[in-house]
Amino acid sequence: DTEVTQTPKHLVMGMTNKKSLKCEQHMGHRAMYWYKQKAKKPPELMFVYSYEKLSINESVPSRFSPECPNSSLLNLHLHALQPEDSALYLCASSVTGSDYYGYTFGSGTRLTVV
Amino acid sequence: AQSVTQLGSHVSVSEGALVLLRCNYSSSVPPYLFWYVQYPNQGLQLLLKYTSAATLVKGINGFEAEFKKSETSFHLTKPSAHMSDAAEYFCAVKTSYDKVIFGPGTSLSVIP
Repeated sequence: DTEVTQTPKHLVMGMTNKKSLKCEQHMGHRAMYWYKQKAKKPPELMFVYSYEKLSINESVPSRFSPECPNSSLLNLHLHALQPEDSALYLCASSVTGSDYYGYTFGSGTRLTVV
Repeated sequence: AQSVTQLGSHVSVSEGALVLLRCNYSSSVPPYLFWYVQYPNQGLQLLLKYTSAATLVKGINGFEAEFKKSETSFHLTKPSAHMSDAAEYFCAVKTSYDKVIFGPGTSLSVIP
């Protein structure tokens, strides 16, 4: 299995809703990442997990809450989002946080906040 | 701080013509550089990477890139463009803090 699987593929949520994005990989990678990508822009790093511990938080608002329950699974909990949070949310993984092999990306969750 | 720039937000080539996408990096230490491709409504896919083993790096789908320290460049090339190459291309650098930072991207169009 050489894939990163993200669910759901599309999500529409109201500003008072609570929802979660899920990311799963079975490649034995020990680093996992959340990126946010707005239209026509490059991905922007949000969080990095290394060996199931949060190692980097790029000053992301607390309405985004990451969780890494085990080495294969990464969640992003969403609460009280704003319309400007609408974007493509990408999950990625790598062998370790300090390797140079590159990342494997999922296909993303397209989030619309109404 | 380490960063990458990509000259040309949009490049158009004819089918069968040479593809050249430009990337320049800024780094005080030997960089680790990557090219990723993103097709519409998809995630990013690694095309190739430079990790100091060789200056000419071959990747998937016929792409290659040459690391030139004197020019601080890592340009992506493909001898003959195919319609399926139309996509967004991102150059990226791994920073000393184990972050991967992406350039602004270049949108490649292939004209039949």
